[in-house]
Amino acid sequence: DAKTTQPNSMESNEEEPVHLPCNHSTISGTDYIHWYRQLPSQGPEYVIHGLTSNVNNRMASLAIAEDRKSSTLILHRATLRDAAVYYCIPIPNTGNQFYFGTGTSLTVIP
Amino acid sequence: GAGVSQSPRYKVAKRGQDVALRCDPISGHVSLFWYQQALGQGPEFLTYFQNEAQLDKSGLPSDRFFAERPEGSVSTLKIQRTQQEDSAVYLCASSLGLGQSKLAKNIQYFGAGTRLSVL
Repeated sequence: DAKTTQPNSMESNEEEPVHLPCNHSTISGTDYIHWYRQLPSQGPEYVIHGLTSNVNNRMASLAIAEDRKSSTLILHRATLRDAAVYYCIPIPNTGNQFYFGTGTSLTVIP
Repeated sequence: GAGVSQSPRYKVAKRGQDVALRCDPISGHVSLFWYQQALGQGPEFLTYFQNEAQLDKSGLPSDRFFAERPEGSVSTLKIQRTQQEDSAVYLCASSLGLGQSKLAKNIQYFGAGTRLSVL
């Protein structure tokens, strides 16, 4: 299973963009990159996923490096409700075991 | 709509007691997962069901841990003879599909968890 490296913590000012990096240098060619986040006292929730191309949805954007060894989750305008732990999870196409790691704890400053 | 429901939200057990944690997945979801989350750590996979079949239990830490999903819907995680190291949040997740992580139907939806404290 691909291992990931994420910063332990990051800070952002409210209403500014946030770029959350993830290194996954051992990712295999068919692993999809998923991002989940966990708000305090809640279970994780899905944010976005992709394979090679950059992806956008209503929550965030996902930028995937050309060599796929890293990706960046982009929150375009951070709000206080975005304060959470963000997990980057490579998942095999036919697999469904999630290995979360320790994630990045995002603090949003008003 | 109704999400994944877990009960109880909090459970305090004396060391040596047996506990049972319940998970009600989203209706119609085929796949069900259990995770254990220690304080300050990410969730760790315990076991996976596809309908009533337990296809992967590689993450269960010991034979004191047992999970079942007899009718392919509600699932129970049972811990026998609880130990202090079992104290954690136990998370349940369900997904509509059978695998293939590229498909949106395989997104996992999590409950809020059960916080188990073993004294």
